[in-house]
Amino acid sequence: QVQLQESGPGLVKPSETLSLTCTVSGDSISNSYWSWIRQPPGKGLEWIGYFYHSGITKYNPSLESRVTISGDTSKNQFSLKVTSVTAADTALYYCARGPRWLQGYDFDIWGQGTMVTVSS
Amino acid sequence: EIVLTQSPGTLSLSPGERATLSCRASQSVVSSYLTWYQQKPGQAPRLLIYGASSRATGIPDRFSGSGSGTDFTLTINRLEPEDFAVYYCQQYGSSFTFGPGTKVDIK
Repeated sequence: QVQLQESGPGLVKPSETLSLTCTVSGDSISNSYWSWIRQPPGKGLEWIGYFYHSGITKYNPSLESRVTISGDTSKNQFSLKVTSVTAADTALYYCARGPRWLQGYDFDIWGQGTMVTVSS
Repeated sequence: EIVLTQSPGTLSLSPGERATLSCRASQSVVSSYLTWYQQKPGQAPRLLIYGASSRATGIPDRFSGSGSGTDFTLTINRLEPEDFAVYYCQQYGSSFTFGPGTKVDIK
């Protein structure tokens, strides 16, 4: 059974860097693409970007200048960094497996999410 | 960027009724790239339908998806109590975008 678990600080100060890690169990990060998706309180979903172990990354154009996603195959983890955060970055952050290019260009397994609040 | 619009915003129905949810795209979407998710309060989204009409593993057959081009539909036949939730559509064009969601609540 594939499981994903997000971890990281729940509170980040404005202008600082948000850093989160997703630990994957039941699958190797070398086998799939992996994404970060966020959901501001009471709002909809926003795809942040994806990572593949070969070093391929792609980011949402609206966030591209501030986002980095990377992976550590030895720990079976992948990470998200968002620089220069503002209150608009306050959200529930999910890690997910996908996109599944051979199926529906979708995200089939999600972590439970971790809430990050940007506030001084 | 392709923008997805979902309607209605809220659908109030009784258990046993049929729910018909709409997802409309600002540009034509390749059917293979249209996905539906279910999200219950306090939970992560759950993959329901991919490729516009294929049910994900473990999804009951009362859920069905259809559509092409710019108009897609999620139908839930005979609503069960556990189906009351928010439903999102998602597409891939040059990037991934989600619709704003439709809430199906109990009438």
